[in-house]
Amino acid sequence: KAGVTQTPRYLIKTRGQQVTLSCSPISGHRSVSWYQQTPGQGLQFLFEYFSETQRNKGNFPGRFSGRQFSNSRSEMNVSTLELGDSALYLCASSPRTGSNQPQHFGDGTRLSIL
Amino acid sequence: EDQVTQSPEALRLQEGESSSLNCSYTVSGLRGLFWYRQDPGKGPEFLFTLYSAGEEKEKERLKATLTKKESFLHITAPKPEDSATYLCAVPQAPGSGNTGKLIFGQGTTLQVKP
Repeated sequence: KAGVTQTPRYLIKTRGQQVTLSCSPISGHRSVSWYQQTPGQGLQFLFEYFSETQRNKGNFPGRFSGRQFSNSRSEMNVSTLELGDSALYLCASSPRTGSNQPQHFGDGTRLSIL
Repeated sequence: EDQVTQSPEALRLQEGESSSLNCSYTVSGLRGLFWYRQDPGKGPEFLFTLYSAGEEKEKERLKATLTKKESFLHITAPKPEDSATYLCAVPQAPGSGNTGKLIFGQGTTLQVKP
């Protein structure tokens, strides 16, 4: 069974640009969550999508947004990039929302802002 | 406020030297506690789920246990390939809109020397 796939693996952008990251969940998983990982803050929750609807949102500015498609694939977008947005962005999937089952992670997209 | 604290931050062991990692949590209505392993440049890899106090799970040299306030990851006779960062996480306390969010500890970075 294929795992969570994230593309691209690496991105280099400059301040003020925008970026779109993609995530394909494990087959059959319908809930997708996004996290930002930095050395100082660790793993911080961005948002969760289920049935093409955002179900929960973390404490991040509106520059961070996402969406989910009918096949459960998800994208997140960051506009007006800032230096502090440099991080590893991780996507995780689970079979459904609101459950106590573990989330399974992809290997992330490493975003560097110059 | 829901919180997860891991200790120690870093741990250096000689091959074969057993030890334990600690994860303490404060969350109302615990719906599970998850242990992950993360290698450099990779996403977290799921290891264990624990749901109730007294529960134990084992996998090779790793054993995870759970009490009402903390969890331990015991590493018996570790090998260099066990070197990684170990993360624990709990789901956000149940409530309206509180779905899909895992609260992570800062992790314990384990180095096992041959």
